Amino acid sequence: EAGVAQSPRYKIIEKRQSVAFWCNPISGHATLYWYQQILGQGPKLLIQFQNNGVVDDSQLPKDRFSAERLKGVDSTLKIQPAKLEDSAVYLCASSFSSGGNYGYTFGSGTRLTVV
Amino acid sequence: AQRVTQPEKLLSVFKGAPVELKCNYSYSGSPELFWYVQYSRQRLQLLLRHISRESIKGFTADLNKGETSFHLKKPFAQEEDSAMYYCALSGTSGSARQLTFGSGTQLTVLP
Repeated sequence: EAGVAQSPRYKIIEKRQSVAFWCNPISGHATLYWYQQILGQGPKLLIQFQNNGVVDDSQLPKDRFSAERLKGVDSTLKIQPAKLEDSAVYLCASSFSSGGNYGYTFGSGTRLTVV
Repeated sequence: AQRVTQPEKLLSVFKGAPVELKCNYSYSGSPELFWYVQYSRQRLQLLLRHISRESIKGFTADLNKGETSFHLKKPFAQEEDSAMYYCALSGTSGSARQLTFGSGTQLTVLP
């Protein structure tokens, strides 16, 4: 089966600019997650979607971050305006259902550098 | 709140030696525990989960609810085991049904 696709792989922007990341989950996976992984730390959940609805966005900095999953398939994560501390790898993952017991499938991530 | 602690950022062992990667967790209910692995230049992938009681690539992990631990073990390490290992926890209800990761342990198996 095809994996979770993410683009771009790398992005360098200046602070205060905006950036968007795209994710295409595995076909049939209802649940989609965006994680932020700062260098030296484990992935931290930003937002969880179930189909096209938000399940949990409690750790999403909503003053600058936004995400959507139109039609319950692809998802886009946007940062506007970016700060230096947003430099991280942004991981998208999908699973067949909510909860970890089926395991998540991760994409290769987008490495964002804010200068 | 759910929390995962991996006390060792770096761990080096020689090929053929036993290896144990430590993981402790905090969760008020009965969690589901996982180990994920990331090999160099590859994506994060599931290694094993406690509910399956399986051995993958020679690795095993036992959930110890008394000590709230889920240590990953392998009796004889191989060079290809060198990777970043993350312990993760999922709650069993509502918004807790999402993975919380530890900070990871970089395992290096020396020849």
